[in-house]
Amino acid sequence: GNSVTQMEGPVTLSEEAFLTINCTYTATGYPSLFWYVQYPGEGLQLLLKATKADDKGSNKGFEATYRKETTSFHLEKGSVQVSDSAVYFCALSDPFGNEKLTFGTGTRLTIIP
Amino acid sequence: GAGVSQSPRYKVAKRGQDVALRCDPISGHVSLFWYQQALGQGPEFLTYFQNEAQLDKSGLPSDRFFAERPEGSVSTLKIQRTQQEDSAVYLCASSLEVTQYFGPGTRLTVL
Repeated sequence: GNSVTQMEGPVTLSEEAFLTINCTYTATGYPSLFWYVQYPGEGLQLLLKATKADDKGSNKGFEATYRKETTSFHLEKGSVQVSDSAVYFCALSDPFGNEKLTFGTGTRLTIIP
Repeated sequence: GAGVSQSPRYKVAKRGQDVALRCDPISGHVSLFWYQQALGQGPEFLTYFQNEAQLDKSGLPSDRFFAERPEGSVSTLKIQRTQQEDSAVYLCASSLEVTQYFGPGTRLTVL
């Protein structure tokens, strides 16, 4: 079945540091890949997505590239801010069914000033 | 426009009680999904509707869980005879194509 493995947290970085959160997946076919973010006290929000191999999703300074050869979708940001503190979830959608999402366990990110 | 809304936001139930959780999707969204998120975990799929048709209920953990979407808009997730292991955040999401938009969730605590 489909699965997503993401870097375990928590991750603590200083402001302006470089961020990478690793995500790898197992799936049959060609799923779409997503990063969702959950800020404290809020619901899940779509951060970025990529629907086919070599696509790069980007938003709010975050980027992730769909790498079919390594089955990865690592999240990166060049300079993090305190406001980026949140829980980040990597997810894939089932291409053979109803597009239901399979999520990783989440990575809690804390940025200290 | 308005996003996905869910009610109640918090629900405390005694073990054995029935509960009903409501989801109002984004207007015009054909697809509706329910997920269960345990503490410290990612959401897990429960069930999927396309309009009023429930096309996939493979994630429902037991026959105590039941979902409906009778008019293809609002959906209700019902849990009968709640157990402590049902304590979780229940998330609803709707979509028009690939991207799912999530509601704030209902946090269910079973005592």
